[in-house]
Amino acid sequence: DAGVTQSPTHLIKTRGQQVTLRCSPKSGHDTVSWYQQALGQGPQFIFQYYEEEERQRGNFPDRFSGHQFPNYSSELNVNALLLGDSALYLCASSLDTGWDSPLHFGNGTRLTVT
Amino acid sequence: AQTVTQSQPEMSVQEAETVTLSCTYDTSESDYYLFWYKQPPSRQMILVIRQEAYKQQNATENRFSVNFQKAAKSFSLKISDSQLGDAAMYFCAYRTLDSNYQLIWGAGTKLIIKP
Repeated sequence: DAGVTQSPTHLIKTRGQQVTLRCSPKSGHDTVSWYQQALGQGPQFIFQYYEEEERQRGNFPDRFSGHQFPNYSSELNVNALLLGDSALYLCASSLDTGWDSPLHFGNGTRLTVT
Repeated sequence: AQTVTQSQPEMSVQEAETVTLSCTYDTSESDYYLFWYKQPPSRQMILVIRQEAYKQQNATENRFSVNFQKAAKSFSLKISDSQLGDAAMYFCAYRTLDSNYQLIWGAGTKLIIKP
């Protein structure tokens, strides 16, 4: 039973560029959440996708956007990259059975913006 | 504002001994879930234990247990018989019915196990 998989593992981009990160949820899960974890900090919620729609969004600018596909996989896009976007980006999946549904995390994508 | 405070940036414990990690949180909600996650160098967040706020009995999972004090908004994690594999960052987090789609996280505590 495959868990949550994220790609790529590491990524280096230049300021102003655009990046796309990918996530495949755990088998049977239909909900995907994205978190940003800066070095030495806890994760910050970016947004969550369910039924191919953004269901809730954290305090992130419009440069951060996402998508969910019919197979429940998801992408996170960040435009006009800033140095401050350097972080570990975590994807978490769950089964939308309620707010007590536990989250399963991937190993993250380490994004470095130079 | 909803916040989680982990006052210990780093803790160390001798292998086989017991250690307690502290966590306090601030929410006006009456019902919520509390979590402890472990993040080893592999970077994957792994759920250690969770507690629903309306349940008075403290949750336990093998060597891991919590001390949940709702009035004090405190949720500490006790690790008994510490093992080398317990070395990791530990994060406290909660989710409320109002913010049911997102977890609010603390800054983490680095746990070092001394052999």
